[in-house]
Amino acid sequence: GEDVEQSLFLSVREGDSSVINCTYTDSSSTYLYWYKQEPGAGLQLLTYIFSNMDMKQDQRLTVLLNKKDKHLSLRIADTQTGDSAIYFCAERTDKLIFGTGTRLQVFP
Amino acid sequence: GAVVSQHPSWVICKSGTSVKIECRSLDFQATTMFWYRQFPKQSLMLMATSNEGSKATYEQGVEKDKFLINHASLTLSTLTVTSAHPEDSSFYICSAAGTGLGEQYFGPGTRLTVT
Repeated sequence: GEDVEQSLFLSVREGDSSVINCTYTDSSSTYLYWYKQEPGAGLQLLTYIFSNMDMKQDQRLTVLLNKKDKHLSLRIADTQTGDSAIYFCAERTDKLIFGTGTRLQVFP
Repeated sequence: GAVVSQHPSWVICKSGTSVKIECRSLDFQATTMFWYRQFPKQSLMLMATSNEGSKATYEQGVEKDKFLINHASLTLSTLTVTSAHPEDSSFYICSAAGTGLGEQYFGPGTRLTVT
């Protein structure tokens, strides 16, 4: 079945690292994505990883994929107040399935 | 990244009327477009997938006669909510994918309120 789970909320201090976790169930996923959604706005593609990779780094963002455990994480280094948003992971099978979203709150 | 636009960004309509939402890929050709709806504080739910020149494929539970999707060109898809009811009030987001591997870009969304 298709089920993508995330923790609902994460609060971090400005300058610290944030780690947002995601678990999925479909082992046939080809790509896994992280999207950012600010209030009242659409989704911004942050990064994606092909399913045969285990890590991808892009500036402050690091994606780790444990395919055996079907676990995906997004680490944001030096978190800023502008990073406050909802973060969705998504897996691609024959379509894109979104996780439940994690609200990241960054406080000074 | 590629740009996807939606119009209008918000719309208020009366029950029983129809509303059309446009989705355009501005700088790439979208072979596939997707329509999602998002209720407050919830995730995105895929409504339908459309390929240019073909009929849309609707997800289970989505009424195809109520949510009419047209993907007439590689840069434009429209979603028409027919005979709208208050329960259709939601945030509708379109997404477009080109032929490149893995990337799918999202529009800014359209907030529909049916009174």
